Amino acid sequence: EAQVTQNPRYLITVTGKKLTVTCSQNMNHEYMSWYRQDPGLGLRQIYYSMNVEVTDKGDVPEGYKVSRKEKRNFPLILESPSPNQTSLYFCASKGANQPQHFGDGTRLSIL
Amino acid sequence: RKEVEQDPGPFNVPEGATVAFNCTYSNSASQSFFWYRQDCRKEPKLLMSVYSSGNEDGRFTAQLNRASQYISLLIRDSKLSDSATYLCVVPSGGSNYKLTFGKGTLLTVNP
Repeated sequence: EAQVTQNPRYLITVTGKKLTVTCSQNMNHEYMSWYRQDPGLGLRQIYYSMNVEVTDKGDVPEGYKVSRKEKRNFPLILESPSPNQTSLYFCASKGANQPQHFGDGTRLSIL
Repeated sequence: RKEVEQDPGPFNVPEGATVAFNCTYSNSASQSFFWYRQDCRKEPKLLMSVYSSGNEDGRFTAQLNRASQYISLLIRDSKLSDSATYLCVVPSGGSNYKLTFGKGTLLTVNP
């Protein structure tokens, strides 16, 4: 079954404690992306990757890092999380001429 | 003009009603457009793609007006299951990979 898998689904943590949200897709898609969704602001793109070792900033990259060492994985790294990064995060992947497939979402709370 | 702007809603309609949402965009170079549907606390899912003047899929019709830079989504014979948030999505920067999402329009279909 075609899937985009995010982990964890829910996380409550504290300011400054580094965390990583993993994203994995099994569709051999070249393109992957991270979004955050906040009330009243909609979905905003954080980073995206066109292929292995190719990443680029989206609209709200500050405070985040990503890596794309292999095609199937695209982790989102928060080196020093802050409360304003409390949000619902979605990972997505896309093949050529195909729509984006989204993961189930990760709800992060930074206290 | 904002990059992507949608009807703020919310829309409350009875079953069987016809409802239309509008979305305006600022990037005249955008070639393709998308409507996504998002249920509460779930991931967005593609509803329709719009590449030319419009697209029709059953009860759903999407129309594109390039001169006025807006796209619309028409839902006929609304069902209770159509209740969701509808997101207008426009590629930015001339690429289908960097996407800008509208803030969404909430539709509630009442019995």
